[in-house]
Amino acid sequence: QVQLQESGPGLVKPSQALSLSCSVSGGSIIDGGYYWTWIRQLPGKGLEWIGSIYSNGGTYYSPLLRSRVTISLHTSKNQFSLNLNSMTAADTATYYCARLIARAALYYFDYWGQGTLVTVSS
Amino acid sequence: QPVLTQPPSVSASLGASVTLTCTLSSGYSDYKVDWYQQRPGKGPRFVMRVGIGGIVGSKGDGIPDRFSVLGSGLNRYLTIKNIQEEDESDYHCAADHGSGNNFVVLFGGGTKLTVL
Repeated sequence: QVQLQESGPGLVKPSQALSLSCSVSGGSIIDGGYYWTWIRQLPGKGLEWIGSIYSNGGTYYSPLLRSRVTISLHTSKNQFSLNLNSMTAADTATYYCARLIARAALYYFDYWGQGTLVTVSS
Repeated sequence: QPVLTQPPSVSASLGASVTLTCTLSSGYSDYKVDWYQQRPGKGPRFVMRVGIGGIVGSKGDGIPDRFSVLGSGLNRYLTIKNIQEEDESDYHCAADHGSGNNFVVLFGGGTKLTVL
């Protein structure tokens, strides 16, 4: 059973960068066929895809956030991370890490973390 | 890239049936859509994938037989029969688009299902 767990600060000051980590257990982040992904949910709103990283390090970002986002793999720790620069109040959200399975006609998020609330405030 | 549209809310009585709709924007009638259930205070979980021909692959772990899907035109439907209190959740649809550097994942706005 794969499990994902987000960690990082719950409070970030405006203009600062957010750094979150996702620890993966029950599977390896270098296994092929999976995209390790960050998704967020603004308060009371729907889900928003931030970006994904493949096991070979290839990255894919939302066009709306591409200029501020970096997603990285940390293979020795079996973790992947999110860095989001120039945070504003509009970035206040619950941030989820998830695994996207990519097999033939199947692309879906099969495992999710529980989410971590990040508030941007001075 | 497609836009996915969902009604903000729907309600149904205990034991009744309800159909949730995810509508793709024009020109994307061949797209498949994934449905996710998000119970209050929890992370989402995969329900199933649907294309124009119906379910693609298998249901997510623990998804009861009461849940089914259908695709027609630009619409992708999730039907829940014999609604239970535990079905009260937000339901999100999502679609992947593009390949290579243009790969993106898009979500609808979500539908809140209230069980009366």
